[in-house]
Amino acid sequence: QKEVEQNSGPLSVPEGAIASLNCTYSDRGSQSFFWYRQYSGKSPELIMSIYSNGDKEDGRFTAQLNKASQYVSLLIRDSQPSDSATYLCAVKAAGTASKLTFGTGTRLQVTL
Amino acid sequence: DVKVTQSSRYLVKRTGEKVFLECVQDMDHENMFWYRQDPGLGLRLIYFSYDVKMKEKGDIPEGYSVSREKKERFSLILESASTNQTSMYLCASSLGWRETQYFGPGTRLLVL
Repeated sequence: QKEVEQNSGPLSVPEGAIASLNCTYSDRGSQSFFWYRQYSGKSPELIMSIYSNGDKEDGRFTAQLNKASQYVSLLIRDSQPSDSATYLCAVKAAGTASKLTFGTGTRLQVTL
Repeated sequence: DVKVTQSSRYLVKRTGEKVFLECVQDMDHENMFWYRQDPGLGLRLIYFSYDVKMKEKGDIPEGYSVSREKKERFSLILESASTNQTSMYLCASSLGWRETQYFGPGTRLLVL
């Protein structure tokens, strides 16, 4: 079983719609959760971090964390073509010093 | 803004060559990481360091070594490059317990 799982996609949404990206993790003791965006041929860039249950909003992005169900999600409102990228979920599990475990990413396509 | 730089964007090497990849960060971060990224496999941690002259093996350290002589610089060494080390190599750094990692632009290495 993979430690951090994401649907590889592609997830296709029309411009202006809400994109919903999901991630599940296996270690119940995980403490810190991150969403990164990666454009093709580029390096990952941080979008959001979340540490406690509930929602965290930053502009068009909302991260949602449910530790009891072991999932974290990212909502992108008013999706734009420039949001087309691969979104990586990363989790810091308990007892792993500063290490993050990454999912393989979900490719998002925002269509005109 | 955090800045992480890597010595090369593209490298072509021959099998058996010794390869040095350098990473420098300018934000006084304690933690530095080397990953490789391959299609379908996601980001995999090779080595990380949480202090000068300290290093820890990641998930796939075989065939690699690292050096951290100064806080801002973390080098990845391929002692004898092989074709299966053709990959995108990403360096990252982080500060403190929150573990938000910031990535460099990446080095695409081709071993012939």
